[in-house]
Amino acid sequence: DIVLTQSPATLSVTPGESVSLSCRASQGISTSIHWYQQKSNESPRLLIKFASQSISGIPSRFSGSGSGTDFTLSINRVESEDFSVYYCQQSYSLPLTFGSGTKLEIK
Amino acid sequence: QVQLKESGPGLVQPSQTLSLTCTVSGLSLTSNSVSWIRQPPGKGLEWMGVIWSNGGTDYNSAIKSRLSISRDTSKSQVFLKMNSLQTEDTAMYFCARNQNNNFRYWGQGVMVTVSS
Repeated sequence: DIVLTQSPATLSVTPGESVSLSCRASQGISTSIHWYQQKSNESPRLLIKFASQSISGIPSRFSGSGSGTDFTLSINRVESEDFSVYYCQQSYSLPLTFGSGTKLEIK
Repeated sequence: QVQLKESGPGLVQPSQTLSLTCTVSGLSLTSNSVSWIRQPPGKGLEWMGVIWSNGGTDYNSAIKSRLSISRDTSKSQVFLKMNSLQTEDTAMYFCARNQNNNFRYWGQGVMVTVSS
């Protein structure tokens, strides 16, 4: 199974700051990585697909990059509604797997 | 618009079988695939398995021996059955539309507690 390692586990930031969240795969997965946001007691929301492809309705401050084993979700100027947990997920091979998440919290 | 909704019992006794239903609208199961994903309280997401648009299935090997996913296309429903439940199966269970193996559309989830 492909293991996804997300770092850091928790990131404390001030609204208005820009941040980068990391996801590292245990083997090369091309650009088969997707990013989700999950707020408390809600279903996950797809933010970015295939490493860098935008999703309709998602604010443009969210962007993704990377290929191979190292991937980054960037949030430009974090807003109050962005404080939640972020997961990466790989679709390179079955079983589909998720990272353990990065919690973005208010500093 | 695309909608998915899970339903099923909130409480299951240990060693018993869990049966959940995912009712979809706004999409056809003959041209769309649906996955089940679960999340234990306070923990991360685990992909359980998928029923493909052609009716074939794939399962996570960690639970494959206990899991079955099926569907009724005429009722737009996907079913999950998992046997030999233990306390560690306590989780929120989601169904989600599987498009190119990512998930834009999710149900609201159903919380299942395994307890006597």
